[in-house]
Amino acid sequence: AQKITQTQPGMFVQEKEAVTLDCTYDTSDQSYGLFWYKQPSSGEMIFLIYQGSYDEQNATEGRYSLNFQKARKSANLVISASQLGDSAMYFCAMRENTGNQFYFGTGTSLTVIP
Amino acid sequence: KAGVTQTPRYLIKTRGQQVTLSCSPISGHRSVSWYQQTPGQGLQFLFEYFSETQRNKGNFPGRFSGRQFSNSRSEMNVSTLELGDSALYLCASSLKSLRGVQDTQYFGPGTRLTVL
Repeated sequence: AQKITQTQPGMFVQEKEAVTLDCTYDTSDQSYGLFWYKQPSSGEMIFLIYQGSYDEQNATEGRYSLNFQKARKSANLVISASQLGDSAMYFCAMRENTGNQFYFGTGTSLTVIP
Repeated sequence: KAGVTQTPRYLIKTRGQQVTLSCSPISGHRSVSWYQQTPGQGLQFLFEYFSETQRNKGNFPGRFSGRQFSNSRSEMNVSTLELGDSALYLCASSLKSLRGVQDTQYFGPGTRLTVL
């Protein structure tokens, strides 16, 4: 089974609107971390936000927030007030407590329309 | 604090050649991981080094190897290059080994390898 599933290959959003990028994960660990990265066309992966499995509140970092629903095993990224510079690939990732590596999803390509 | 650096940024090789890629982690980071990214396969984990020891390895043939030096800098080597090795190779560093859920990986800009 896939550890990380991102079901939206491509998304479009109007500038200044909010957008939600979906991510579901699969783990039997009680302790795990969830991460979101942004990859612009230049190729560099930029860390955006982290959520720990024991964190009771949803993580927020500026315009990014993580909608963490533990029972549903989902960790959706919400970008508020989209900007043209938000156009990029977005990857969801997970690290398990007992695991040995980062697991990445296949990514979602976000295009912000002026 | 300087980020993760990778050299070279671009590389063109021919089949059968070998190549060495270099990665310098963020100062103080002891763990370095390597990933291969292609349009068809996405991001695939190659291996992770911590304190000069390979801790984890992905499902890649033995042509892919690496090492880490005492200053945490890492090199990745690919021998007998094949056309399918054309990819973006990303290096990521973190403070500790991959064990520890809060340990965030920070990525370098990548080396884009083209095999002709």
